[in-house]
Amino acid sequence: KAGVTQTPRYLIKTRGQQVTLSCSPISGHRSVSWYQQTPGQGLQFLFEYFSETQRNKGNFPGRFSGRQFSNSRSEMNVSTLELGDSALYLCASSFSGSYGGNEQFFGPGTRLTVL
Amino acid sequence: SQQGEEDPQALSIQEGENATMNCSYKTSINNLQWYRQNSGRGLVHLILIRSNEREKHSGRLRVTLDTSKKSSSLLITASRAADTASYFCATDSGGSGGSNYKLTFGKGTLLTVNP
Repeated sequence: KAGVTQTPRYLIKTRGQQVTLSCSPISGHRSVSWYQQTPGQGLQFLFEYFSETQRNKGNFPGRFSGRQFSNSRSEMNVSTLELGDSALYLCASSFSGSYGGNEQFFGPGTRLTVL
Repeated sequence: SQQGEEDPQALSIQEGENATMNCSYKTSINNLQWYRQNSGRGLVHLILIRSNEREKHSGRLRVTLDTSKKSSSLLITASRAADTASYFCATDSGGSGGSNYKLTFGKGTLLTVNP
């Protein structure tokens, strides 16, 4: 089974631009979550999608948005980039089935640098 | 905001020794998970322990959970140089249905295993 894939792997943008990151979950997984990882704040939850619906959202400004398609692939968008948005953006998928939680499978991440 | 706090922040040991990392959290949880991250890459799921479990084993890994103290520990026995990585605990505090669509991570323990 192929793992979670994220594209692109590396991205350099300038302040004020916008960026779209893509995530393809493991086949059969319907839940996709996004996380931002920075040295200062660590891993922070951005949002989670299940069956094209956003089920949960972290404490990030409205410049951060996402969506999920019918094939479970997900995209996240950051508009009006700021220097502080430089980070490793991680996508994770899970089956999201029964009560008790499921392990999340992470992609390799997209390293975004904002200049 | 961080739910889990790992201790120590960094740990350096020799190959063959055991490594113990601790995690404390603040609110009640459905489950607690441990992940490993090799330098700047995606996270790899190690083990999940549910709130009604006290101990779990997987290969050289042993995880304990004490919900009364809101703490968990990860023990890696007979460590190898390949175990060098950052280790994170992540808590799932629920939501309807119980699926872990919002994991809250600690800042991690950087483990260095010297050959």
